[in-house]
Amino acid sequence: GAVVSQHPSRVICKSGTSVKIECRSLDFQATTMFWYRQFPKKSLMLMATSNEGSKATYEQGVEKDKFLINHASLTLSTLTVTSAHPEDSSFYICSARDGTSGRAMETQYFGPGTRLLVL
Amino acid sequence: GQNIDQPTEMTATEGAIVQINCTYQTSGFNGLFWYQQHAGEAPTFLSYNVLDGLEEKGRFSSFLSRSKGYSYLLLKELQMKDSASYLCAVMDSNYQLIWGAGTKLIIKP
Repeated sequence: GAVVSQHPSRVICKSGTSVKIECRSLDFQATTMFWYRQFPKKSLMLMATSNEGSKATYEQGVEKDKFLINHASLTLSTLTVTSAHPEDSSFYICSARDGTSGRAMETQYFGPGTRLLVL
Repeated sequence: GQNIDQPTEMTATEGAIVQINCTYQTSGFNGLFWYQQHAGEAPTFLSYNVLDGLEEKGRFSSFLSRSKGYSYLLLKELQMKDSASYLCAVMDSNYQLIWGAGTKLIIKP
């Protein structure tokens, strides 16, 4: 199956700093990437949808100036958590949809996730 | 509003069969997905149903009834490694995935 990588897998930072998380599709072109966050024992919460070469679409309640998303190429999207605070501590997961496959709508491939801890 | 319902937790015995149900109400329908998520890991794709009926894939099967807004995931010959959360998600008319809260499956020896 398709592979999506995320980096870093874990990050600990001080309050007020910014953290960048990378999401890469390794063996396919991802025209659309999604960013989720997940709190312990809760389901996935979609933060934003990112289309290559255009601005991300943010879900209601997600601050676009705080969670900067860039999808500069068909294989890379980045999420930057700016001025991170302890309440931003969470599990961030990206997923990518294969835009070249005839079954493009069927499957989202998930990255392994990034665990962020803000002290 | 859009809503996905599935049980919070289920317990089953190793070697047995378990059925995890999912009911949904969404704006449009472009398919239903089941994902498996082990603690601390990202979800992995299990199955996709867009037409009514049963899709079988090894020990796992998924069923869909669009008229009833209902799906189930059937796991046979349960193994300890099947202990995980199982997430039901529906793709709506905007091709957005609407996620259920997940069912935590506990397998006992």
